[in-house]
This record gives sequence, structure tokens and C-alpha cells, in this order.
Amino acid sequence: DVKVTQSSRYLVKRTGEKVFLECVQDMDHENMFWYRQDPGLGLRLIYFSYDVKMKEKGDIPEGYSVSREKKERFSLILESASTNQTSMYLCAGASLGNTIYFGEGSWLTVV
Amino acid sequence: GENVEQHPSTLSVQEGDSAVIKCTYSDSASNYFPWYKQELGKGPQLIIDIRSNVGEKKDQRIAVTLNKTAKHFSLHITETQPEDSAVYFCAASLSYGKLTFGQGTILTVHP
Repeated sequence: DVKVTQSSRYLVKRTGEKVFLECVQDMDHENMFWYRQDPGLGLRLIYFSYDVKMKEKGDIPEGYSVSREKKERFSLILESASTNQTSMYLCAGASLGNTIYFGEGSWLTVV
Repeated sequence: GENVEQHPSTLSVQEGDSAVIKCTYSDSASNYFPWYKQELGKGPQLIIDIRSNVGEKKDQRIAVTLNKTAKHFSLHITETQPEDSAVYFCAASLSYGKLTFGQGTILTVHP
């Protein structure tokens, strides 16, 4: 079975903290993605990566950065968390031309 | 960029009835249209997809139709069951992997 694993399912962080969301895939996928999901807005693309050390901005990159040092790992970083970043974050992986698989999601609350 | 509109936002049907969810997209260059089902507390799971060189695709009780001229595509679920209750998302892609999602439809199937 294909697998995209998000290590933290539920997090509560304080405003101004630096937050790391980790994602690991075991499918040897080239492409990895971070989406944010909010009620009524669907899923919005934050950042994606086509290869190790490569990254491209999605539709809502402000306030976020990413890191991809190894093919299987794609991290989302909130440099200084704010309350408007309270959301569900979804990581996904896909090989070129193939299906996109999502992780189970990370619920982040910023207080 | 691409814009995807999805309707209705909520849909309530009786068990055994059919359910139809519709999406429109803005960029005629989009060539890949997947549908995802998301159950409570879980990440989205692909249920069916269609590429722009095909007009219709069916998988048991689920079918998707694509009208490239009108730039819309639809999900059809026949003989609905309570376990079909979930949030359904459509998406469109200009290049493999970079999906733009609709806002989601909450489907409720009443026994």
C-alpha cells in the first residue's frame, strides 16, 4: 500500500513560535505537496517540490517555507506562527503522471 | 491560474437514490480531473479520475463525465449507501500533481 505519513496529527502552538510539520512518503515519489484545508475554501496549495532541494510557491505561500533535503521527506515550516494559520495541513506525494496520495492531515491550532 | 467551482455545497439524498456533484474549471489547458472523498478526520482519498482525452469513465457505482467544450465535469454516484456520506472534492490540473480544488460538497445519505 502507498503511504504518506504526517508525524504530528494534532498540535497546539503559541503565537510567534516556529512550527515544523513533517511528512514522509515511502513511494519514491518525485513530487510532494503541502496543502491547507479550511471550511468552505477547499484545499489550497502552499508549496510543492519536484525534486530534492527544489521548491516552488503555490497559491498561498506567505508565512510558510519548506525544506526537502531528502526525496522521501518534505517539511513545512511556519517561521512565526499566527492565529490565522490555525488550520488542517495536508501533505501529498505523486509521481509524474500518477495519482496523488494524501496523508491523514495535521491539525494545527495557534493560540 | 486555474479556478474550480463546485456545486452544490451540501447534498442530502435517501439511500438508494443517485447523487450528482458538478464542477466547472476556467483554464481550457487543464487535462486531468480527479475526484476525492474525505471522511471525518482523514485525508482525501482518490475515488475516480478522468483525463481530457476521455468523455466518461465508470467504476462500479461511480462515474465521471467531462465536457471539455463547456469546461465542466460531474461525479455521479448511483444506488447511494450510508457509507457514501462524506465530503467530496473535485480538482483540475494543468500539469501533473499541481491540483486546484473545488470548495467541496458535503454528501449525506439517509438510511
